Amino acid sequence: DVKVTQSSRYLVKRTGEKVFLECVQDMDHENMFWYRQDPGLGLRLIYFSYDVKMKEKGDIPEGYSVSREKKERFSLILESASTNQTSMYLCASSFLGGTGEETQYFGPGTRLLVL
Amino acid sequence: KNQVEQSPQSLIILEGKNCTLQCNYTVSPFSNLRWYKQDTGRGPVSLTIMTFSENTKSNGRYTATLDADTKQSSLHITASQLSDSASYICVVSDHYGGSQGNLIFGKGTKLSVKP
Repeated sequence: DVKVTQSSRYLVKRTGEKVFLECVQDMDHENMFWYRQDPGLGLRLIYFSYDVKMKEKGDIPEGYSVSREKKERFSLILESASTNQTSMYLCASSFLGGTGEETQYFGPGTRLLVL
Repeated sequence: KNQVEQSPQSLIILEGKNCTLQCNYTVSPFSNLRWYKQDTGRGPVSLTIMTFSENTKSNGRYTATLDADTKQSSLHITASQLSDSASYICVVSDHYGGSQGNLIFGKGTKLSVKP
């Protein structure tokens, strides 16, 4: 079974703090993603990565950065947390199947509260 | 603009009843459509994935249909169980093969199954 784990299920931080959210997958997937999920807005893509040391901006990258130093690990960084970054953060990884279809596997999510 | 619209926004049914969730999309070009189930506080889990050449796919009590002409999909749940209570998210990809970067998410339908 594919396993995507996230370092914390719940996190409380103060405005201005630097926040690290870690994601690890154990299936040697090339692609990894960070989303945030807010009520009424659904899932929105923040950043994704196709390979080690590669990153691409998603739909809402402002206020975030990412790091992918190893294939299995993809980190989301909030340089200076703000209250509008209070959200549920979901990590996902994927591979490209033999038929060209891609399957994404999600982690359990990190619920971040910024005070 | 590529969009995925889901209806209803929320739904309450009695245990044992059937229900159908709808997904309409305006994504072009179309690659594939997936349905995810997301339990409260958890990450989404893939239920089905369909390409344009497939018009139905089942996963246990879940059956997804796709009409690529009208750009509509439905997820039918048979003999609902309490554990079916979750949000169901429709996701459409506009990318043929290659690495993903163009997944368009619906906002989900929240299903509550009551005893």
